Amino acid sequence: KAGVTQTPRYLIKTRGQQVTLSCSPISGHRSVSWYQQTPGQGLQFLFEYFSETQRNKGNFPGRFSGRQFSNSRSEMNVSTLELGDSALYLCASSPGTVYEQYFGPGTRLTVT
Amino acid sequence: AQTVTQSQPEMSVQEAETVTLSCTYDTSESDYYLFWYKQPPSRQMILVIRQEAYKQQNATENRFSVNFQKAAKSFSLKISDSQLGDAAMYFCAYRSAGGAQKLVFGQGTRLTINP
Repeated sequence: KAGVTQTPRYLIKTRGQQVTLSCSPISGHRSVSWYQQTPGQGLQFLFEYFSETQRNKGNFPGRFSGRQFSNSRSEMNVSTLELGDSALYLCASSPGTVYEQYFGPGTRLTVT
Repeated sequence: AQTVTQSQPEMSVQEAETVTLSCTYDTSESDYYLFWYKQPPSRQMILVIRQEAYKQQNATENRFSVNFQKAAKSFSLKISDSQLGDAAMYFCAYRSAGGAQKLVFGQGTRLTINP
C-alpha cells in the first residue's frame, strides 16, 4: 500500500496570506490527524478528522481549520499567516481508534 | 491533561552497543497507549514500537524493546546492537484509549551513533 502523502512538500508564504495543505491517507484509513512541529514548541496536535467529522481539536487559534472529504483525504487551512506559523506540518492516518498512526513526510511552511 | 517528559535531550552510543532512552508521563487515566516514534533527518516519523497499558508484558520489535512500569508511569526504550541507521530523534508519545487519535509527544531525544 502507498503511504501517507502530503502536498506540497515545501511552501513559502508571506505574512497575512492564507495557505492550504493537503493530506492523502493510506488507503482504507478513515482517521486523519494533523500536527505542527516547531523547534520551540515541539510536536503539537492540531485536529483529527474521522469519517468527515472533526473528532478532536488542539489548542490553536481559529485561523487553523481543516476538513475531510468522503474519500478520507484531508486539507488544513491557515488564514492570516503569522511568522510563528512557520513549521513542519505533519499529517497522520489510522484505520481507527485502536490502531497506531502512520505519518506522512510533512509540509515545510515558511512564512516571511 | 496528559504530559510526556523525555529528560535526555541528547544521547550517544557506540555502534553495536545498547542504549536506553527514558520517558515518563503523567495521566489519571487507566487505559491508554504508549508509543516510540523515530524521526531521522528526512523528518519522516516512523513508528518504532507500541505498548498497551493493560498489557503487563513489555513490547518487543526486533532490536527494540521497552520497559513499561505502569505504577511509576515510566516507558523507556532499549535499542540493542545499535546501528548507524538508528541515528535520529526519538519521541515518546501518549494516547488515550478511548475516542480520538490525539498523540501527546515528549520533547524528543537526539540519538547519535558513533562508529
